Amino acid sequence: GAVVSQHPSRVICKSGTSVKIECRSLDFQATTMFWYRQFPKKSLMLMATSNEGSKATYEQGVEKDKFLINHASLTLSTLTVTSAHPEDSSFYICSAEESGRSSYEQYFGPGTRLTVT
Amino acid sequence: GESVGLHLPTLSVQEGDNSIINCAYSNSASDYFIWYKQESGKGPQFIIDIRSNMDKRQGQRVTVLLNKTVKHLSLQIAATQPGDSAVYFCANAGNMLTFGGGTRLMVKP
Repeated sequence: GAVVSQHPSRVICKSGTSVKIECRSLDFQATTMFWYRQFPKKSLMLMATSNEGSKATYEQGVEKDKFLINHASLTLSTLTVTSAHPEDSSFYICSAEESGRSSYEQYFGPGTRLTVT
Repeated sequence: GESVGLHLPTLSVQEGDNSIINCAYSNSASDYFIWYKQESGKGPQFIIDIRSNMDKRQGQRVTVLLNKTVKHLSLQIAATQPGDSAVYFCANAGNMLTFGGGTRLMVKP
């Protein structure tokens, strides 16, 4: 089946630094990838939709300069949390939509837990 | 706007019993719903889906029921096992996935 990986799985960083999270589709090509944020005991909130070769589409309330998304290839999207603050601590999950398939079929990564101290 | 919500935040069941997790929706982008299972510290896993032309769909130990009249769907897990302990989300699949709030299923041995 389709596998999506994320790296790192856990990261702890100091306030003010930037952190990059990678999302890879391992055995399929993904024109579109999605980035979600999940607070403890809460549901997933879509942050942005990442399209290969074009600018990401951010959801309302998500700062694009704060959460930089790059989707440079059909198998890799990155999310960079810039100038991280403790309130950015969260579980970040990506999903990938296989090229040519509908948005119904998203494959989720295992998530990255970010802790900002 | 569309919203998807769950009736109960936590469900505790005895191992071997059947579990029923409910989800209500108001306006939906589409009549296509997906149930996901999320174990602690992991990403969501697809369990089962159902389209609007169906009112019931069965998988292995799981059944999803869709009642479009009252805009309600449920996930039934037969003979619940400890490995079923997780948070379950329903999601409506339109142009994007819209997730419900989640129900935590706890299975007591």
